[in-house]
Amino acid sequence: QSALTQPASVSGSPGQSITLSCTGSSSDIGGYDFVSWYQQHPGKAPKLIIYDVSHRPSGVSNRFSGSKSGNTASLIISGLQPEDEAEYYCGSYRGSSPYVFGTGTKVIVL
Amino acid sequence: EVQLVESGGGLVHPGRSLRLSCAASGFTFKDYAMHWVRQAPGKGLEWVSGIRWNSDIIDYADSVKGRFTISRDNAKNSLYLQMNSLRAEDTAFYYCVKDRVGGSYLDAFDIWGQGTVVAVS
Repeated sequence: QSALTQPASVSGSPGQSITLSCTGSSSDIGGYDFVSWYQQHPGKAPKLIIYDVSHRPSGVSNRFSGSKSGNTASLIISGLQPEDEAEYYCGSYRGSSPYVFGTGTKVIVL
Repeated sequence: EVQLVESGGGLVHPGRSLRLSCAASGFTFKDYAMHWVRQAPGKGLEWVSGIRWNSDIIDYADSVKGRFTISRDNAKNSLYLQMNSLRAEDTAFYYCVKDRVGGSYLDAFDIWGQGTVVAVS
């Protein structure tokens, strides 16, 4: 059950927009619209920030948005803020496997 | 307040067993699928096991299949993970996790416990 592929780190200055990618296959991201994103600060439990590719849970900032094209999902963080510095994981339903997370991306706010 | 509280973690020798528990509160537990997700020290997230609201669907990651058993008691609002034949690579934080939508399965995980540590050495 190989993990989805994410870049190890992405950096940006406050106020900038950054995009995190999450690459899978037709068996997961490409085959279902059950892609979610999680934010994890050090020593804390993960927090759901995007579900079903592009939907935000109540209370999550609209600076976070999600999309999908083919086998790759993306998380866009606009108006980057210091508190956005964290680890971000994508996740997807995978049918018979049946669930897989990404390798994780560390967001660094310069 | 919606809350998940794990317990039962600890230090255990390889080959031994451990049973994790998760106490749920603040939502109608019997309506939701539940899962265990783990995170090894300094590593990423790994989905371990899931169980649908009425236990009719139960799944495991290949890494734990045949060794771990997930179960739930809807009358006690509790989720369990029986871990047998533990290995060093099972060392991790274990999170109890709630599915986002009642009746769904593996949609997304909207509530996470604080985790319990399992150390196999």
